[in-house]
Amino acid sequence: ETGVTQSPTHLIKTRGQQVTLRCSSQSGHNTVSWYQQALGQGPQFIFQYYREEENGRGNFPPRFSGLQFPNYSSELNVNALELDDSALYLCASSSAGGLQETQYFGPGTRLLVL
Amino acid sequence: AQTVTQSQPEMSVQEAETVTLSCTYDTSESDYYLFWYKQPPSRQMILVIRQEAYKQQNATENRFSVNFQKAAKSFSLKISDSQLGDAAMYFCAYSSISSGSARQLTFGSGTQLTVLP
Repeated sequence: ETGVTQSPTHLIKTRGQQVTLRCSSQSGHNTVSWYQQALGQGPQFIFQYYREEENGRGNFPPRFSGLQFPNYSSELNVNALELDDSALYLCASSSAGGLQETQYFGPGTRLLVL
Repeated sequence: AQTVTQSQPEMSVQEAETVTLSCTYDTSESDYYLFWYKQPPSRQMILVIRQEAYKQQNATENRFSVNFQKAAKSFSLKISDSQLGDAAMYFCAYSSISSGSARQLTFGSGTQLTVLP
């Protein structure tokens, strides 16, 4: 069974640029959630995708957007990067509709905005 | 909105001893899930244990067990026979199971556990 994978592992961008982060869900999972984890803090929910539709969103501006593909993989796009966007971005997959909707996390992408 | 509070930013334990990490939460819902995740320096968030609120029995996974007090909205993690590999940041997390909700995880601020040899 393949776990959740994310790419790239590290990324450096400058303020105002755009970035795309990628996530492949665990085998058998149909739901992907994205979280932002600032240094020294707990992760904050960005949004969730289920059946290629956004299924819930946290308190993040519209410049944070996403996609889910038919194979359940997902992308997180961030436009007009700001310094405060520097963080670890975590992707988690789960199986919606099951009795145990536990989210399993990938290794994360570390984004640094200069 | 649900909130999760971890009041112990740092804890330490001697190898082979037992340690308890505290977590409290606030919710108006009656059914939900609670989780403990660990995040070692490698950054990957790893599931430690899960508790369904409708189950009165406390969850146990090998050396890890929880003390779930629903009325008090308390969910502590006990680690027995601590090992060096248990050293990590531990996060308590809440998930609603209401129909139509996104099942998002709400995390606490974490407890950094150090295991002393």
